[in-house]
Amino acid sequence: DGGITQSPKYLFRKEGQNVTLSCEQNLNHDAMYWYRQDPGQGLRLIYYSQIVNDFQKGDIAEGYSVSREKKESFPLTVTSAQKNPTAFYLCASSISTVGGANVLTFGAGSRLTVL
Amino acid sequence: AQSVTQLGSHVSVSEGALVLLRCNYSSSVPPYLFWYVQYPNQGLQLLLKYTSAATLVKGINGFEAEFKKSETSFHLTKPSAHMSDAAEYFCAAKGAGNNRKLIWGLGTSLAVNP
Repeated sequence: DGGITQSPKYLFRKEGQNVTLSCEQNLNHDAMYWYRQDPGQGLRLIYYSQIVNDFQKGDIAEGYSVSREKKESFPLTVTSAQKNPTAFYLCASSISTVGGANVLTFGAGSRLTVL
Repeated sequence: AQSVTQLGSHVSVSEGALVLLRCNYSSSVPPYLFWYVQYPNQGLQLLLKYTSAATLVKGINGFEAEFKKSETSFHLTKPSAHMSDAAEYFCAAKGAGNNRKLIWGLGTSLAVNP
């Protein structure tokens, strides 16, 4: 079955450490996204990518980095520069980002806790 | 700037009662509109979407939503709530043309009481 796989589901990190969250899709979607979810704040866009080797900052990109070396993969690194990284992180994909009512398909999420 | 407002961060209904979750958008141009549902510790999944083909949109699990341009609303309803409907519901809007990003509401948590 096609879908999005995020790993790990739960992750604990010490302050000052970088951590990378994995996101893999087999839907043949061009566009991929990373969102951060905090209670009562909805979804906030961190980064998105429309095509391989290209990505754009979202609304809260500071302290995060991404890469898009393969169509299927869009890993997110939470760096030590992110002041409040404890959150639920969601990866999503869609056919494209341009126009249209493109539906997002989401992974099951990764919950990061900084100790 | 475009925005999406969900009235009521928490809604509680009895099993079998009507579910009404409110969503209003601000836009000078009728956008594409979506409702997504999120079960605990999971990702979001699409319930339904409005693309201007019909103002009353039917989705999965018995949910439907009506686009009302005069009220800039896209409220989600279900005639009879089931315990399994307890979840977080998000309304989202996307502009036409080159506006590529979804604008999300803050979500409404639905509790269903036996």
